[in-house]
Amino acid sequence: QLQLQESGPGLVKPSQTLSLTCTVSGGSISSSTYYWGWIRQPPGKGLEWIGSIYYSGSTYYNPSLKSRVTISVDTSKNQFSLKLRSVTAADTAVYYCARHPSWPIRLFDYWGQGTLVTVS
Amino acid sequence: QSALTQPASVSGSPGQSITISCTGTSSDVGNYNLVSWYQQHPGKAPKLMIYEGSKRPSGVSNRFSGSKSGNTASLTISGLQAEDEADYYCCSYAGSSTAVFGGGTQLTVL
Repeated sequence: QLQLQESGPGLVKPSQTLSLTCTVSGGSISSSTYYWGWIRQPPGKGLEWIGSIYYSGSTYYNPSLKSRVTISVDTSKNQFSLKLRSVTAADTAVYYCARHPSWPIRLFDYWGQGTLVTVS
Repeated sequence: QSALTQPASVSGSPGQSITISCTGTSSDVGNYNLVSWYQQHPGKAPKLMIYEGSKRPSGVSNRFSGSKSGNTASLTISGLQAEDEADYYCCSYAGSSTAVFGGGTQLTVL
């Protein structure tokens, strides 16, 4: 059974960089069939797609966040990571990692449990 | 790229049917048959319920169905059960290698 697990600091200071890692178990991140994405949810609000990465390193980002986001992959560790620069209180959210089949995005079928990151 | 529009809340009694709408534009919902729906219980990760507009993943009850007309997609839940009480989100491919979610709808089972 595929499992995804987010990890990283739960508290980040304003103007600093938020860094999270998603570890994939029960399957290979190097599958040619899937992309791996980040999605966030501010407290009490809706979901927002941040971006996605292929095992080869090809990335796609939400235009509204593109200038501050970098997603990378480490196939040797079966992990992919998120960096969000120059954070503000508006970036406080639960951050999820998830899997979706190759483009175009038509579904997210496996999700991590989510991790709350507070900017303060 | 704006969030898709969903009603903030809907409610229904056990056994009834409810429908949640998800309105986008001709650049997302209206241009692709790539709307998915997610159920989220408090403190939990979203769960895929419908994809490509009307397809159900294995294990999802056939009480859940999806449809689309123009720029609006809909999720219908028939035979409401207490366990269906949750937040529901739609998501659509929005072209240019991007995706957009709806603001979410809180379903209350009376």
